[in-house]
Amino acid sequence: AQTVTQSQPEMSVQEAETVTLSCTYDTSESDYYLFWYKQPPSRQMILVIRQEAYKQQNATENRFSVNFQKAAKSFSLKISDSQLGDAAMYFCAYRSRNTDKLIFGTGTRLQVFP
Amino acid sequence: KAGVTQTPRYLIKTRGQQVTLSCSPISGHRSVSWYQQTPGQGLQFLFEYFSETQRNKGNFPGRFSGRQFSNSRSEMNVSTLELGDSALYLCASSSGPGVGQGGETQYFGPGTRLLVL
Repeated sequence: AQTVTQSQPEMSVQEAETVTLSCTYDTSESDYYLFWYKQPPSRQMILVIRQEAYKQQNATENRFSVNFQKAAKSFSLKISDSQLGDAAMYFCAYRSRNTDKLIFGTGTRLQVFP
Repeated sequence: KAGVTQTPRYLIKTRGQQVTLSCSPISGHRSVSWYQQTPGQGLQFLFEYFSETQRNKGNFPGRFSGRQFSNSRSEMNVSTLELGDSALYLCASSSGPGVGQGGETQYFGPGTRLLVL
């Protein structure tokens, strides 16, 4: 069975600085997807970034980028130029191919200070 | 395009009652998944439906059931409610696994917050 581990329950960053959130996973599959979702307080879950395991190039979406290390089963999220609106719970998630079932980590609460 | 909608948004029930939650996916999406979110257990997968067929089921007791209709709308039902069923129930939709480039991205609804007293 696949598992996802987020070892940082809480992180904090100052506005305009850079922060990295960690995620490791365990799987015996070779083809899968990885995601970072953001859940602001009392608001709905939104997709931040996704990575296909067969792509070696790290995904990037504006200020958000990932460091995908397939052999190490590591998938960290880097947020550059942090903004107050980035404050939220961040969940790392794994999905096998041909299913929509997401396996989530326990989440990292990110605080952004002015 | 309208997003994923869930009704009701808030619900208070008592132990032993049953509840039905509804999810309307994004127009054109045929896959709907359900998750339970609690402070103690985090986000846990309940079911996955695609074209009215249950493709996957999480590790929940038989009191939790679901279905999907021909218009892709989905409902989940919890019978004989227990205090531990209090949670935020999230629904997500996608075009369907393996459907097109980027079709697998799931979009979440705002959730239904269930409180069992």
